[in-house]
Amino acid sequence: GAGVSQSPSNKVTEKGKDVELRCDPISGHTALYWYRQSLGQGLEFLIYFQGNSAPDKSGLPSDRFSAERTGGSVSTLTIQRTQQEDSAVYLCASSLDSSSTDTQYFGPGTRLTVL
Amino acid sequence: AQTVTQSQPEMSVQEAETVTLSCTYDTSENNYYLFWYKQPPSRQMILVIRQEAYKQQNATENRFSVNFQKAAKSFSLKISDSQLGDTAMYFCAFIFHNAGNMLTFGGGTRLMVKP
Repeated sequence: GAGVSQSPSNKVTEKGKDVELRCDPISGHTALYWYRQSLGQGLEFLIYFQGNSAPDKSGLPSDRFSAERTGGSVSTLTIQRTQQEDSAVYLCASSLDSSSTDTQYFGPGTRLTVL
Repeated sequence: AQTVTQSQPEMSVQEAETVTLSCTYDTSENNYYLFWYKQPPSRQMILVIRQEAYKQQNATENRFSVNFQKAAKSFSLKISDSQLGDTAMYFCAFIFHNAGNMLTFGGGTRLMVKP
């Protein structure tokens, strides 16, 4: 079946602009995660959604970052007023539910470059 | 706070030989889940193998096996009969129950398999 998909694959933007990154999880997966992969910080958790519960936003680095998940499926990560330090690969993952026994399946990521 | 350390930034191995990647961690938790993920140049993070901390038997998955030493807080990955397609970044990762269901990653080891 189809895996996790993300779009766009690459995004180049100017400092100060807003960007939206999209994630389509595996069908039927109720848990969805966003991670950021950067040279300086490695792989960091950003936010996760489980069904209709309030998301865990504990990893978001600033209030310029937000995410939503519509209809329990597709998720959008929005970065407002982008800064150069936001340049990174943004990875999305989904799992059947948020039990820690469930494997997280990753998408190919979106590479964001802020000029 | 939990920490995960991969002390080998880069490694190389000849095709068909065996290589071991190291991972150590620090946690006061007794129950957690351990993973090795592979990230080839395509960027897609792929699960290689997983281990539950409460299980004493080391997990194996074809050419991949782990050596889990809970008391020493060590979780190494052994790749037997290395293949060119094993060339990738390898990350060990954990889910710690007291930190939610997100993955905490090590810094990664870049493995090059040479023909």
